Amino acid sequence: EPEVTQTPSHQVTQMGQEVILRCVPISNHLYFYWYRQILGQKVEFLVSFYNNEISEKSEIFDDQFSVERPDGSNFTLKIRSTKLEDSAMYFCASRVEGEQYFGPGTRLTVT
Amino acid sequence: AQSVTQPDIHITVSEGASLELRCNYSYGATPYLFWYVQSPGQGLQLLLKYFSGDTLVQGIKGFEAEFKRSQSSFNLRKPSVHWSDAAEYFCAVGAKQAGTALIFGKGTTLSVSS
Repeated sequence: EPEVTQTPSHQVTQMGQEVILRCVPISNHLYFYWYRQILGQKVEFLVSFYNNEISEKSEIFDDQFSVERPDGSNFTLKIRSTKLEDSAMYFCASRVEGEQYFGPGTRLTVT
Repeated sequence: AQSVTQPDIHITVSEGASLELRCNYSYGATPYLFWYVQSPGQGLQLLLKYFSGDTLVQGIKGFEAEFKRSQSSFNLRKPSVHWSDAAEYFCAVGAKQAGTALIFGKGTTLSVSS
């Protein structure tokens, strides 16, 4: 069964550094999403992406964040200058027929 | 405001007993409703979904959920809980429009006692 994959599974970075989280959505899906989950809290929406454009973004998704589909398969989330509060699990999802399929997540730890 | 409320933060159920996890939502558009399960350190696995039609939906692992529009609820049930069901359960609501976000509840942690 096709699945969403994410790399790396765990990323440790220092405050102020740039990180890129990578996702490979399911191949015939057209809508892509990033969510995050701070430890012990609920899953929060960051951004949705379709046809090489952002469809919707939340208040969390400020100028420090950007998304890109650099090629036909990858979907990336970049955080330009990480803060301690960016430490979270980041989930990528892709959608078909109303259902979002989630990847296993990347745990980002900012020290 | 759009929101999902899961009133129970933590529930403990004996193995073999029945389970009901509550979910209430507030949403401006016609809701698409979902239940996801998350084991520690793992991603989100879809248990079941409701888009339209029959208000009682069946999912994986023996779970079912009932949509009650009048109560804005989408409660998850299982007739007999297994120890492997111990996990965190999230209710989520979204719209038919593809670009819109899923809004999640804060989750309910299920513990199963023997």
